[in-house]
Amino acid sequence: DQQVKQNSPSLSVQEGRISILNCDYTNSMFDYFLWYKKYPAEGPTFLISISSIKDKNEDGRFTVFLNKSAKHLSLHIVPSQPGDSAVYFCAASARGSQGNLIFGKGTKLSVKP
Amino acid sequence: GAGVSQSPSNKVTEKGKDVELRCDPISGHTALYWYRQSLGQGLEFLIYFQGNSAPDKSGLPSDRFSAERTGGSVSTLTIQRTQQEDSAVYLCASSVRGNQPQHFGDGTRLSIL
Repeated sequence: DQQVKQNSPSLSVQEGRISILNCDYTNSMFDYFLWYKKYPAEGPTFLISISSIKDKNEDGRFTVFLNKSAKHLSLHIVPSQPGDSAVYFCAASARGSQGNLIFGKGTKLSVKP
Repeated sequence: GAGVSQSPSNKVTEKGKDVELRCDPISGHTALYWYRQSLGQGLEFLIYFQGNSAPDKSGLPSDRFSAERTGGSVSTLTIQRTQQEDSAVYLCASSVRGNQPQHFGDGTRLSIL
């Protein structure tokens, strides 16, 4: 049973527009959430994280929103650039887990010039 | 380099053979993780090392899998009597300590014939 779900396998966005990547989770013990970006043949690269005590965290063009009541988080990229084209993974860790991450299956983002 | 280093980058072996995968974490990082990514799936946690504490082996899929971390630095993941379902990309990550963002290597692509 998947604890972290990314229901959209792919997303296509025009350059300059907003990209919104969604993630749902089922485990109420999760208290730390991260987004990673992955290019082919490379390891995931950490993008941004959020603790469950917050509902928003921003870093440049990237903003993560957390809705604990809905067990939902999203990553907004504004403005989107062709170099953002990659697979984006949502990950979560549970209180007391020492950071073992549970990953979603990823969403492939394509930003078209 | 300053990042997590994994070797080999690719490994092809026959079913039944043993394989060893190596990970060099970022210097000074006390936490080290192994994950694997099978085709079309998210990353699956395997094992976690934190300093000199006993490792968290809860993600290892069978007793054919083992890992060690010598001197609190380099780690080796060993798969004995490999089977075709072991084919995957094996990723290593390290962090300053548990519950901090993890930094990944580029992985070892393992193919079992």
